[in-house]
Amino acid sequence: GAVVSQHPSWVICKSGTSVKIECRSLDFQATTMFWYRQFPKQSLMLMATSNEGSKATYEQGVEKDKFLINHASLTLSTLTVTSAHPEDSSFYICSARGAPGYEQYFGPGTRLTVT
Amino acid sequence: GEDVEQSLFLSVREGDSSVINCTYTDSSSTYLYWYKQEPGAGLQLLTYIFSNMDMKQDQRLTVLLNKKDKHLSLRIADTQTGDSAIYFCAETPYGGSQGNLIFGKGTKLSVKP
Repeated sequence: GAVVSQHPSWVICKSGTSVKIECRSLDFQATTMFWYRQFPKQSLMLMATSNEGSKATYEQGVEKDKFLINHASLTLSTLTVTSAHPEDSSFYICSARGAPGYEQYFGPGTRLTVT
Repeated sequence: GEDVEQSLFLSVREGDSSVINCTYTDSSSTYLYWYKQEPGAGLQLLTYIFSNMDMKQDQRLTVLLNKKDKHLSLRIADTQTGDSAIYFCAETPYGGSQGNLIFGKGTKLSVKP
């Protein structure tokens, strides 16, 4: 099946700094990428949907100025957590889809810890 | 809004069958999915069923859908220790944002040797 990678897999940063997480589709072109957040023992919550070359669509309650999403190419989307705080510590998972109606392929996730 | 519920834990012995249950509220769901998440990893799509189907079987996996009761189940035959993981039920609501998925909280399956 299609492969989606995320980098880094684990990051620790200090409160107030910004962190960028990359999501890449390795062997297909992803017209749409999704960013999810997962708290311990909780479900995945969709944060935003991004289409290549367009502004991301954020879910209700997600601060778009805090979680900056860029989908500049068909194989790369980035999520930047700006001015990170300890409550932003979570597992961030991206998924990528080639076309509407097609399967979403999930990345392995990025564990963010803000100290 | 849409809601997907699952029991949080299930423990079985190796070789037995596992049945993981899920209920959902959105009667207009088009597709329903089962994903597997191993520790520290992303999600792997196991199987899915279209809302006009009652059952789907794929090797050791059997999915049953009771649309009237909005109940979905995943049966794993001959459960192995490698099946230990968290299993998420998910739906794609009709008209949802570009096919976004609504996930349940996940059922942690523990398989004892």
